[in-house]
Amino acid sequence: NAGVTQTPKFQVLKTGQSMTLQCAQDMNHEYMSWYRQDPGMGLRLIHYSVGAGITDQGEVPNGYNVSRSTTEDFPLRLLSAAPSQTSVYFCASSSTTSGRKNEQFFGPGTRLTVL
Amino acid sequence: DAKTTQPPSMDCAEGRAANLPCNHSTISGNEYVYWYRQIHSQGPQYIIHGLKNNETNEMASLIITEDRKSSTLILPHATLRDTAVYYCIVRVSNTGNQFYFGTGTSLTVIP
Repeated sequence: NAGVTQTPKFQVLKTGQSMTLQCAQDMNHEYMSWYRQDPGMGLRLIHYSVGAGITDQGEVPNGYNVSRSTTEDFPLRLLSAAPSQTSVYFCASSSTTSGRKNEQFFGPGTRLTVL
Repeated sequence: DAKTTQPPSMDCAEGRAANLPCNHSTISGNEYVYWYRQIHSQGPQYIIHGLKNNETNEMASLIITEDRKSSTLILPHATLRDTAVYYCIVRVSNTGNQFYFGTGTSLTVIP
């Protein structure tokens, strides 16, 4: 299993540009989520999904969109990038039914800089 | 979800036990205590979780006080690779699996 994969690893955007951060998992997990981590801070939840076709907002959803058309993929879209969105973005997945439910598996992160 | 309070930083000598405290005085009866750690800039890694009873796995032990208002994560023989930020999180187990991280404790294991 590859686990949770994220692309790209690094990205530089100009203010106003849009882009999509990709996240995929091959563990057949129902639950997926996106977090951002600013320097010296803990992780903050952006959006999450409890299954294909179902998404909901976390603590800091403004400026981001998500969709979940398949169990495996959960892309995060930045509609119009702003310098305040400079951060490290982590995707995570977990099972809601297996014996290891509630253990979240995190991807390696995408480091985004908005100029 | 209940809030948690952790010391911002701690040091531990290599080979000794690292005891990381967490206060969660407003914890509800159905909220679990979870511990994750983040090594350098990697994604966080699950360590352990518990409700009332003490728990132990291959990575660590979790001691929860009888009133459940605080807990301690114990790394029995700390190594340099245990240097990381440790997050204590309390949450209800079945609320969609979203986690709310604080700023954690930065543990430095000293040779």
